Amino acid sequence: KNQVEQSPQSLIILEGKNCTLQCNYTVSPFSNLRWYKQDTGRGPVSLTIMTFSENTKSNGRYTATLDADTKQSSLHITASQLSDSASYICVVSAISNYQLIWGAGTKLIIKP
Amino acid sequence: NAGVTQTPKFQVLKTGQSMTLQCAQDMNHNSMYWYRQDPGMGLRLIYYSASEGTTDKGEVPNGYNVSRLNKREFSLRLESAAPSQTSVYFCASSGTTGGNWIDQPQHFGDGTRLSIL
Repeated sequence: KNQVEQSPQSLIILEGKNCTLQCNYTVSPFSNLRWYKQDTGRGPVSLTIMTFSENTKSNGRYTATLDADTKQSSLHITASQLSDSASYICVVSAISNYQLIWGAGTKLIIKP
Repeated sequence: NAGVTQTPKFQVLKTGQSMTLQCAQDMNHNSMYWYRQDPGMGLRLIYYSASEGTTDKGEVPNGYNVSRLNKREFSLRLESAAPSQTSVYFCASSGTTGGNWIDQPQHFGDGTRLSIL
């Protein structure tokens, strides 16, 4: 069964610190993996997309990595800011049945 | 830049009542989607419309109907609301440039928070 699991469920860090969020998936074959940011009370917003052939992609202070062999992705946030407080959701596109498999997200709280 | 607009933002219904959630996008996107988001779970696709004039069932379609009114608008109807349909409902849209709809970024509205008593 195609699944996407994210860890940790929630994370609290101090402003200015770095953090890494994990995404493990069993989707195969897949065409791409995308990370979304969802602020409280808002809809998700796409942060970055990675195809199966890419290893690393950056978007400002956000860096996503992908290891297609181990079926793992991570989202690294550098020098966190209060505005980074949000849920971060990993989504994998399954080619076999044209589905998007959504993870449950990691809730990140940045404390001053 | 309105993007995707959903109405209403909040709604409380009694069991058995019906209602329609409205969604409109101004990005000239071909594809539109309805999701529900429940605590501790990933977004689940209810219905989608890959292009104007077509609709297809997603992962959890039971108890819902949709209408793609035109390219801009995609509505979701609950015919007889049940407490299990208490959730946050999101509408999204995406373009289809350069690939399948599953490869495109989706643009979301801010959701409708629906409680059914």
